[in-house]
Amino acid sequence: SAVISQKPSRDICQRGTSLTIQCQVDSQVTMMFWYRQQPGQSLTLIATANQGSEATYESGFVIDKFPISRPNLTFSTLTVSNMSPEDSSIYLCSVREVGDTQYFGPGTRLTVL
Amino acid sequence: SQQGEEDPQALSIQEGENATMNCSYKTSINNLQWYRQNSGRGLVHLILIRSNEREKHSGRLRVTLDTSKKSSSLLITASRAADTASYFCATGLNAGNNRKLIWGLGTSLAVNP
Repeated sequence: SAVISQKPSRDICQRGTSLTIQCQVDSQVTMMFWYRQQPGQSLTLIATANQGSEATYESGFVIDKFPISRPNLTFSTLTVSNMSPEDSSIYLCSVREVGDTQYFGPGTRLTVL
Repeated sequence: SQQGEEDPQALSIQEGENATMNCSYKTSINNLQWYRQNSGRGLVHLILIRSNEREKHSGRLRVTLDTSKKSSSLLITASRAADTASYFCATGLNAGNNRKLIWGLGTSLAVNP
């Protein structure tokens, strides 16, 4: 199974600033996803990060707010832009391998003051 | 929109007892997966069951799938304090190449020593 690391593991940020979260996978994967999980809630898919092309965003999420890069098959970044307290969440990177199983990184816990 | 609905929302049992969690969904699926999440960290994949399967086992875990009732159950036998976590079901839909997972709201399990 893929091993996924995320940086930072947590951060406390000021309103109006931006934070870039990195996701590194130990193997090449085709499908990589970014999720948000607000406190005590389930997972919400933000976007699918496509290698070499623009990310595919879910309803309610836009590129200007959550720009995503995917320069190769092992790495992706998610930026949370112009943050507000409502962006306080855990952000999770996930990859899908052959067979539909998804693996998750440890998450980035973001608090916006 | 969320498809899976787990019940109960919260479950508290004694160590050694069995824990059963249920998941219902609304549309046709390709597969259903169960995940565990400890203390707001990354999710750990437990079992994937496909729509043509009725039951799968993995160690102390047993998953059943009833496609006629659009429901699944996760049974943890001989529970341990370390099983304390949130458990999520996620359905993989029969829909094109994207095949996103649709997540339920989760069951919070507390196993008391």
